[in-house]
Amino acid sequence: AQSVSQHNHHVILSEAASLELGCNYSYGGTVNLFWYVQYPGQHLQLLLKYFSGDPLVKGIKGFEAEFIKSKFSFNLRKPSVQWSDTAEYFCAVTGEYGNKLVFGAGTILRVKS
Amino acid sequence: EAGVAQSPRYKIIEKRQSVAFWCNPISGHATLYWYQQILGQGPKLLIQFQNNGVVDDSQLPKDRFSAERLKGVDSTLKIQPAKLEDSAVYLCASSQMPASARGNEQFFGPGTRLTVL
Repeated sequence: AQSVSQHNHHVILSEAASLELGCNYSYGGTVNLFWYVQYPGQHLQLLLKYFSGDPLVKGIKGFEAEFIKSKFSFNLRKPSVQWSDTAEYFCAVTGEYGNKLVFGAGTILRVKS
Repeated sequence: EAGVAQSPRYKIIEKRQSVAFWCNPISGHATLYWYQQILGQGPKLLIQFQNNGVVDDSQLPKDRFSAERLKGVDSTLKIQPAKLEDSAVYLCASSQMPASARGNEQFFGPGTRLTVL
């Protein structure tokens, strides 16, 4: 069965600090990978996704993620966070076909101004 | 474009009572999903519909949970009778492409927060 592990449940950063949120998945075949974000009081929305091709994926608001197949990882990065990045971030995976999303437990990011 | 609508936003019930949640997906979206998100965890898929047919309900506790999608548009999720452990946020999502399509984007509604006392 597929599973997703997110390394940190809570992260606190100061504005302008760099961000890296870890995500590892367990699945034997080809995968599609996603990062979703939930801002306070808002619904889940897609940040970025990887299906195939360039393993470095760029998403909205300056976020990017790198798929490293050998490490079963899809870490999320941002060079300089802003207060408005305060949110909960979820990594998710599906098999190559079919779109049953399996989510990690989420990482709550708080950015101090 | 209107997003996924859900109601109610909040519901408090006592254990053994029944409750129902409603979802209206984005117009034209063939696939509809219900997720359960327990506090401190990521969303977990309960059931997936393509049009009005069930694609995957392997994680739906069928002894107490039921769901339907009439006419392939709106959907309702029901719990009868509720248990304390059903306290969670119930999320509805929809996607435009068929269930078998590769990794298509799911759009989420605001969720219904259920508290069972």
